[in-house]
Amino acid sequence: DAGVTQSPTHLIKTRGQHVTLRCSPISGHKSVSWYQQVLGQGPQFIFQYYEKEERGRGNFPDRFSARQFPNYSSELNVNALLLGDSALYLCASSLENTGELFFGEGSRLTVL
Amino acid sequence: AQKITQTQPGMFVQEKEAVTLDCTYDTSDQSYGLFWYKQPSSGEMIFLIYQGSYDEQNATEGRYSLNFQKARKSANLVISASQLGDSAMYFCAMREVYTGNQFYFGTGTSLTVIP
Repeated sequence: DAGVTQSPTHLIKTRGQHVTLRCSPISGHKSVSWYQQVLGQGPQFIFQYYEKEERGRGNFPDRFSARQFPNYSSELNVNALLLGDSALYLCASSLENTGELFFGEGSRLTVL
Repeated sequence: AQKITQTQPGMFVQEKEAVTLDCTYDTSDQSYGLFWYKQPSSGEMIFLIYQGSYDEQNATEGRYSLNFQKARKSANLVISASQLGDSAMYFCAMREVYTGNQFYFGTGTSLTVIP
């Protein structure tokens, strides 16, 4: 069975641009969460979606947005990129709203 | 205040020896879960072990065990018989069941297993 898949795996953007990151959860998982991991730190919570509804939002500016589609896949959008947005963006899925998280390998974003 | 504190930025252990990675947590909730994840250089977070706040026995999963001391709010990970493949970053995390859906992660401990 496929695990959580994320795309793209690596990307480079310049300040002011926007980026869309994609995530496909494990089959049957209805919850998707997004985390940002800056180099040398632990992951920080950005969003959680369950059954296509936002169930949680971390302390991130409005430049960050996300959505979940009917097939439970998800997109994370970041507008007006800043240098500080450079990070590994991790997507995680879970079977239930509060279940154990299964992570993808992440999308590594570099903002120049 | 930090929800999860990991005070060991880096640890070294001899192959086949046991090692303990420290984790303390801060919550006023009665119902919460504690998790340990391993992150190799590839970036993927791999689930290792889970302990619920109401579990009376320490969790074990193969070579991993969690030393849960509720009164001291600590949830240390013990890896027995270390292997070279155990070299990675290790993160302690907590989820508060009734006050949110997010996981709080510590800053991690880098473990290096020496042959």
